[in-house]
Amino acid sequence: DAGVIQSPRHEVTEMGQEVTLRCKPISGHNSLFWYRQTMMRGLELLIYFNNNVPIDDSGMPEDRFSAKMPNASFSTLKIQPSEPRDSAVYFCASSPQGNSNQPQHFGDGTRLSIL
Amino acid sequence: EDQVTQSPEALRLQEGESSSLNCSYTVSGLRGLFWYRQDPGKGPEFLFTLYSAGEEKEKERLKATLTKKESFLHITAPKPEDSATYLCAVQAGTNAGKSTFGDGTTLTVKP
Repeated sequence: DAGVIQSPRHEVTEMGQEVTLRCKPISGHNSLFWYRQTMMRGLELLIYFNNNVPIDDSGMPEDRFSAKMPNASFSTLKIQPSEPRDSAVYFCASSPQGNSNQPQHFGDGTRLSIL
Repeated sequence: EDQVTQSPEALRLQEGESSSLNCSYTVSGLRGLFWYRQDPGKGPEFLFTLYSAGEEKEKERLKATLTKKESFLHITAPKPEDSATYLCAVQAGTNAGKSTFGDGTTLTVKP
C-alpha cells in the first residue's frame, strides 16, 4: 500500500516568496493533519481535517499560513509571504477516522528552508 | 490543556543494555496513548496504541506499558538498529482524533 505522499521533499526559497506544500493521504483515510517540526518546538499540529472539512486550525501560526483540502485525496499548505522563521520540516499525516482513536500515518515530510 | 512530557531527552546505551523510556501525561479523558519511532529524515512511524491502564503491547525488543499517569517503553537487549527518536502522543476526549506529542527521546545504541 502506498503511504502518505508529500511533495516536494525539499524546498529552498527566498523570503517573501509563496510556498505550497502538497500531500496525498492514504486512500480511505478520512482525517488529515499538517504538522511542523523544529528542534526548538518539536512536533506542532497546525491544522487538521475530517472528511475534507477543517476542524481545528488553532495551531496555524498566523494569517500567512493557509490550508485546503479540495477532495479526499489531496491537501495543500500554503505560506504567503514566507519568512526565515518558517524554516522547518512540515509533515502531513492521515488516519482512518477522526473520532476512533486511530494512530496517524506520516509522510516523510518537506524540509523547507527560507533564505 | 493536554500535556505530554518525555524523559530522558537523550539516552545512550551499549548494545544489549536494557532500559526504559518514560512518557508522563496530563489529559482530561484519555482515549489513547501512542508510541512512534522516528528515524532521521523520515516521518514518525507508528509502533503501539495503549487505551487503558494496565495494558501492555510488545513488538520484538520493545514493550509498552500504561498507567493512569504515564507510559513506559521498555527496550530489552537493544541493537544499534534500534537507534532512533521515540515519540509519545495522546488523544483525549475533548479533542477526538487530535494528537498531542511529547518532544521525544533520542536513543543511541552503540555496538
